[in-house]
Amino acid sequence: DIVMTQSPDSLAVSLGERATINCKSSQTVLYSFNNKNYLAWYQQKPGQPPRLLIYWASTRESGVPDRFSGSGSGTDFTLTISSLQAEDVAVYYCQQYYSTLLTFGGGTKVEIK
Amino acid sequence: QVQLVQSGTEVKKPGSSVKVSCKTSGGTFRRYAIYWVRQAPGQGLEWMGGITPIFGTVNYAQKFQGRVTITADESTSTAYMELSSLRFEDTAVYYCASGIVETLILGSYFDHWGQGTLITVSS
Repeated sequence: DIVMTQSPDSLAVSLGERATINCKSSQTVLYSFNNKNYLAWYQQKPGQPPRLLIYWASTRESGVPDRFSGSGSGTDFTLTISSLQAEDVAVYYCQQYYSTLLTFGGGTKVEIK
Repeated sequence: QVQLVQSGTEVKKPGSSVKVSCKTSGGTFRRYAIYWVRQAPGQGLEWMGGITPIFGTVNYAQKFQGRVTITADESTSTAYMELSSLRFEDTAVYYCASGIVETLILGSYFDHWGQGTLITVSS
């Protein structure tokens, strides 16, 4: 199975500041046939199901604020919140879909400093 | 807009089985893969398996092989997840989620989610 490792486990950021979350896969999730990275990011708030934020590593889902962006390729990826808002307090997960055996990262909890 | 509605909370005894349903609407059922993801209290997301009606394939995480069965009824646009030999550590919220699978060898991201079903295993 492809192992997804997120860092840090948690971070506290001041309102309006940048938050950066990293995700590393144990093998490439870049499919050479179409040059797409099979990597998604989700946001989960307490008591709610996860919400898709980013897919193909950098494509923002409809309705997601543009302060959320995804980058990276191959095995190393980043989710950036450019200017943290109070409503962004949540746990964020990366997920690979390169394999039919899907896997998530362990999650990163984002809080307000 | 695709919607996924799951069956309700259940309390089960250790060693028993539970079957959770996930009824879809607003899309073409056959086009979507339906996945099952669980979340134990205070823990992260764990993919259990998924079914892709258009390809007729079912995949399971190795951890759950032999204990989980995922099926789909296209006539009612409903997917099911049955987990057997329940243990205390199976206490979790179980989610279904949908995605579009392009090929047999690749997976999908989850663009729609059910509301979650709490399964409590207690003696």
